[in-house]
Amino acid sequence: AQSVTQLDSHVSVSEGTPVLLRCNYSSSYSPSLFWYVQHPNKGLQLLLKYTSAATLVKGINGFEAEFKKSETSFHLTKPSAHMSDAAEYFCVVSDYGGSQGNLIFGKGTKLSVKP
Amino acid sequence: DTEVTQTPKHLVMGMTNKKSLKCEQHMGHRAMYWYKQKAKKPPELMFVYSYEKLSINESVPSRFSPECPNSSLLNLHLHALQPEDSALYLCASSQVSSRGTDTQYFGPGTRLTVL
Repeated sequence: AQSVTQLDSHVSVSEGTPVLLRCNYSSSYSPSLFWYVQHPNKGLQLLLKYTSAATLVKGINGFEAEFKKSETSFHLTKPSAHMSDAAEYFCVVSDYGGSQGNLIFGKGTKLSVKP
Repeated sequence: DTEVTQTPKHLVMGMTNKKSLKCEQHMGHRAMYWYKQKAKKPPELMFVYSYEKLSINESVPSRFSPECPNSSLLNLHLHALQPEDSALYLCASSQVSSRGTDTQYFGPGTRLTVL
């Protein structure tokens, strides 16, 4: 069975410093992995996705993630945090071979950005 | 264009009311989804429509009734809801694939409050 673990429920950084949001996954297959961001009272916005084409994936707003099969990790990074990055971030794995739409969500990481 | 729209943005209803949530996409996607999201939790899948046919019903109570009138529209009819049904209701859409791993694009959600 597939699963995803976000290692931190809350991360706090200062504006202009690097961001690291950690995600580990478990999968019997080559997974599709996603990071979504959710600002308060908003829907989920796709940041980036990994689908086996390249291990370093670049997304929107300066975010990127690296797929490391040996570590079963897909951590999200950004070199310099901006106040507008404060939001909830979800790491998601798609259930290969499962039913249409079977996304497995992590519990989320709340990112706070201090001035 | 990767936009999914949802109406209304906010809805307050009594336990005896009947109301409907609406979702629309014009990306040519043939899979559409309803999710329920409680505060500080990841979204939970409720229903999946694939080619306008209901393919997944995640044991959702019958007071929630989905409808897919055509490939661009998805409705969620609500009747006799309970206060614990108060949540953010998200719609999403995606392509249909044999692996079920296509990217889902989410709408902004409807904030539902049941009194």
